[in-house]
Amino acid sequence: GENVEQHPSTLSVQEGDSAVIKCTYSDSASNYFPWYKQELGKRPQLIIDIRSNVGEKKDQRIAVTLNKTAKHFSLHITETQPEDSAVYFCAASIPGTASKLTFGTGTRLQVTL
Amino acid sequence: SAVISQKPSRDICQRGTSLTIQCQVDSQVTMMFWYRQQPGQSLTLIATANQGSEATYESGFVIDKFPISRPNLTFSTLTVSNMSPEDSSIYLCSVEAHEGTEAFFGQGTRLTVV
Repeated sequence: GENVEQHPSTLSVQEGDSAVIKCTYSDSASNYFPWYKQELGKRPQLIIDIRSNVGEKKDQRIAVTLNKTAKHFSLHITETQPEDSAVYFCAASIPGTASKLTFGTGTRLQVTL
Repeated sequence: SAVISQKPSRDICQRGTSLTIQCQVDSQVTMMFWYRQQPGQSLTLIATANQGSEATYESGFVIDKFPISRPNLTFSTLTVSNMSPEDSSIYLCSVEAHEGTEAFFGQGTRLTVV
């Protein structure tokens, strides 16, 4: 089955700096890669996703890049703000089951003032 | 998007008992899933809840421990049976509103087994 690895497990940045979280996956058939943000005590919320026919996608301060050959994808957050502090999870799924997700281990992002 | 109501939001249960968690969606959805999130950990898929047939379980999860029902396209239940402290986790339902679209999560059920 699919295996998703995520690094780093914790990340501390100063407000205004950029943050990058990286994930690798094992199943070359995977074609959908969402990123979820989970604040303490809350449900995971989708912040951005990318499909395998696209190499990069941006939404304001958030961007995701995908390298299918290397089987890795990354989340980039620019101009970080304290409200970006949360746990971020990457995930992957195979064709036909976009919501049947294999999650990475999570990255705890702390944005300091 | 889909609006998901999950109940209960939290519970404290005695070991050896069972708890049934409900997931109600405000519209018909194609797929429903149940995930477990152990303390401080990531989400792990327990099973796919199939409408009108038995759920499909992932490796490491069995029907006797986690029976699932899905009587229609808007509702599902997950039962955690014969609970032990190791079952203390957050259990989340997830839905795919339309085929191939993003997953939405319920608010989760925080279960503590004592």
